[in-house]
Amino acid sequence: SQTIHQWPATLVQPVGSPLSLECTVEGTSNPNLYWYRQAAGRGLQLLFYSVGIGQISSEVPQNLSASRPQDRQFILSSKKLLLSDSGFYLCALRGPNYGYTFGSGTRLTVV
Amino acid sequence: SQQGEEDPQALSIQEGENATMNCSYKTSINNLQWYRQNSGRGLVHLILIRSNEREKHSGRLRVTLDTSKKSSSLLITASRAADTASYFCAGETSGSRLTFGEGTQLTVNP
Repeated sequence: SQTIHQWPATLVQPVGSPLSLECTVEGTSNPNLYWYRQAAGRGLQLLFYSVGIGQISSEVPQNLSASRPQDRQFILSSKKLLLSDSGFYLCALRGPNYGYTFGSGTRLTVV
Repeated sequence: SQQGEEDPQALSIQEGENATMNCSYKTSINNLQWYRQNSGRGLVHLILIRSNEREKHSGRLRVTLDTSKKSSSLLITASRAADTASYFCAGETSGSRLTFGEGTQLTVNP
């Protein structure tokens, strides 16, 4: 079965510091991968998605970037965090029956 | 951008009652999906309905889709305290992009 590993679970970072969140998947090859952000009490906002190695589509212009250096690895980065980057970040993959599997998420607080 | 809106934003019922949540979406979709999220956790896929389907069942879940009205509903029958969670609808558009509504917070009181 397909699984997603996402870490860390929580992260507190100062404004202006860099960010790197990693997501890895198992049990599938060449998956569509996604990064979402969720503000408290809100729905999920699609940030980036990738259909293959090196292929990244950005949904929202912002202070973040994404990369896919390997088939089963998806990385979310920032060079300098802003207070507005705080939120709950979720990685997801699209399954063979079109349902999505989500990671357990990273709660990022920028202070 | 968000796909649409969900109604109600919050719903509180007693165990054993049915819970109905509604979702409206804006753009054409290939399918509509419902997810559940327990507080502070990742999302769990519940059910998917394709754009050419009108109704689908899975256990205590029943979902309907009206593409002419761009709306969907999720019915949870015989609710349990363990059903307490946030429920989100999400529409998948061409290009395999899944965009979410704002969610309904369901509280089932024992």
